[in-house]
Order: sequence, then structure tokens, then C-alpha cells
Amino acid sequence: QVQLQQSGAELAKPGSSVKISCKASGYTFTSYYISWIKQTTGQGLEYIGYINTGSGGTNYNEKFKGKATLTVDKSSSTAFMQLSSLTPDDSAVYYCARVYYYDGYYYFDYWGQGVMVTVSS
Amino acid sequence: DIQMTQTPSSMPASLGERVTISCRASQGISNYLNWYQQKPDGTIKPLIYYTSNLQSGVPSRFSGSGSGTDYSLTISSLEPEDFAMYYCQQYDSSPLTFGSGTKLEIK
Repeated sequence: QVQLQQSGAELAKPGSSVKISCKASGYTFTSYYISWIKQTTGQGLEYIGYINTGSGGTNYNEKFKGKATLTVDKSSSTAFMQLSSLTPDDSAVYYCARVYYYDGYYYFDYWGQGVMVTVSS
Repeated sequence: DIQMTQTPSSMPASLGERVTISCRASQGISNYLNWYQQKPDGTIKPLIYYTSNLQSGVPSRFSGSGSGTDYSLTISSLEPEDFAMYYCQQYDSSPLTFGSGTKLEIK
């Protein structure tokens, strides 16, 4: 069965970086993009971007350029998102999701369990 | 960015009731509209894709409709497991955007 297993909660200091992971199983990793979504109480769900797991190519929401960096390790079927120059506004739950992108359809068909990132001094 | 306005933000409802959640886009999105359910433990799953297509494994009491800027999700008869948050999401234009959510609560 398809699973996306994300890494554990992070507590980080302002100005630092964190790197969270999303390990995929149950399907051919390079056949689907992985997207990342931010969830906060105030802003709801925000789309960060996606990574082409086969080529490593990325596409970012303009709002998150310079904040998020998406990478992938095909050998371990794992996608990563690094968040840099952290501020309290980056405190959120971050989800990875598999992208179903075929036949004109585009939606997130499987989601990770979410990772809570807390930025505090 | 396309703004997605969901109404209502919360909805008290009873078991067996028929409910409809609305989602309005700030411009036409050509049916490129998906719906998701989020449970209190944070688990998110897709319900409907491309306006009206039922995701595999989702009960047939869920349905979606709409066109242009106005879309809706209907649950024909509420079951206990349906009390959750619901979000719409458009993929007509980048960046993808989500509605602010509707919390379906037990009356």
C-alpha cells in the first residue's frame, strides 16, 4: 500500500534551518511528483511547490522561493524539504503529498502524516 | 493568485442529514477543482477530483458539482466518520490554492 512517512517534529531557533523528510513506499517513487503543503491556523493550507522525483526538477510557489528547497534521494525513495532563515511565521505543520498528474487530472492522492515545525528562541 | 472562498466556515449537522459545502473561485477555473477531507488527527485524503470524480475508495454519499467559479461538495447522508474539515483546491492556475476550510460538526 502507498505510504508517505514523514520525519518527526522539529523545534528550531530563529535564523536556523531544518530539513524534513518524506519516505515513500508501496509504489514506483519516480513515477509521481511529490508536493509540499504548509498548514497554519491563520493561513490554512498553502501550496509550497513540487519536485519531479525522476529528474529532480522543481517548481515553487513564488511565496516560498528562497524559503523552501526541495530535493530527492531516489536511492531511498525519499523527498526532502529544507526551510531556511526560519522565523516564527514558519511555525506550521508541513505535509508532503503524492501528485496524481495524469489524463488532465492533478490532485494529491496520498498525504504524509504531517510534521510540526516550531520556531522559537 | 486565485482566491478560493469556502462557505460556511463551520456547519453543525445531524447524522443522516444531507449537507452541501460551497467553494467560490475569484475567477473561472474550468472545473479544475478538488476536494479533501481532514480528520482531527491531521490525516488528509482526497474525496473528489476534477469537480465531480469520486476518488477510489470514497463512499458514494460524497458527490461534487459545479462550473465556472462556483463548486460544491454534497454529502447525501451524514455518517459519524464524516465530521471533519473539508477543503477545496484549484489547479487551474499557479500557484495552486486552497479554500479556508469548512468544519462539519455534530449538532
